[in-house]
Amino acid sequence: AQKITQTQPGMFVQEKEAVTLDCTYDTSDPSYGLFWYKQPSSGEMIFLIYQGSYDQQNATEGRYSLNFQKARKSANLVISASQLGDSAMYFCAMRFANQGGKLIFGQGTELSVKP
Amino acid sequence: EAGVAQSPRYKIIEKRQSVAFWCNPISGHATLYWYQQILGQGPKLLIQFQNNGVVDDSQLPKDRFSAERLKGVDSTLKIQPAKLEDSAVYLCASSLVASGGALSTGELFFGEGSRLTVL
Repeated sequence: AQKITQTQPGMFVQEKEAVTLDCTYDTSDPSYGLFWYKQPSSGEMIFLIYQGSYDQQNATEGRYSLNFQKARKSANLVISASQLGDSAMYFCAMRFANQGGKLIFGQGTELSVKP
Repeated sequence: EAGVAQSPRYKIIEKRQSVAFWCNPISGHATLYWYQQILGQGPKLLIQFQNNGVVDDSQLPKDRFSAERLKGVDSTLKIQPAKLEDSAVYLCASSLVASGGALSTGELFFGEGSRLTVL
């Protein structure tokens, strides 16, 4: 079964510090893509970063980086230099080849950045 | 570039009533998705269209939910009759990726969602 697990319902971080949000997945399919989305209180899902299962290097996008450990089936999101505007829900998601492009989402982690 | 448009943003109805949500995807996006997000959970796919054809509706409760995308552009999701457990945010998303190859980014672009409360 294909499943995404985010074990941290809520996280706190001090402004300007780094934070890691955990994501593990379960699949036997060798070809897949991993995504992280941010959902602020307004409700819109905002794409942050993508990692393909065959990518050799960890993905980075500005202050976001993805710590991809394929053997452990984990794809943790690292946010460096946290800002107050980073407070939001964060979702890890997967896409599988030959499944029409749909994303399967984890339960989410609520991040709160303290001033 | 205009984003994914959804309406209404909020809707309150009583159980057994009907409701419809509308979505206009980003221009040129062939693939359209409807997701249901219950409070405290991640989004769950209800139905996926590619142009005006259904790709995946395996998790759509077909006894009460229906969706259409007649001209391959905008889409309507209907619930009739509504139940208390249908209270959720209904998210529409679109993407350029038609085949959904996992090796491409082809991220989904989401609208702000339609929040349904069933009393």
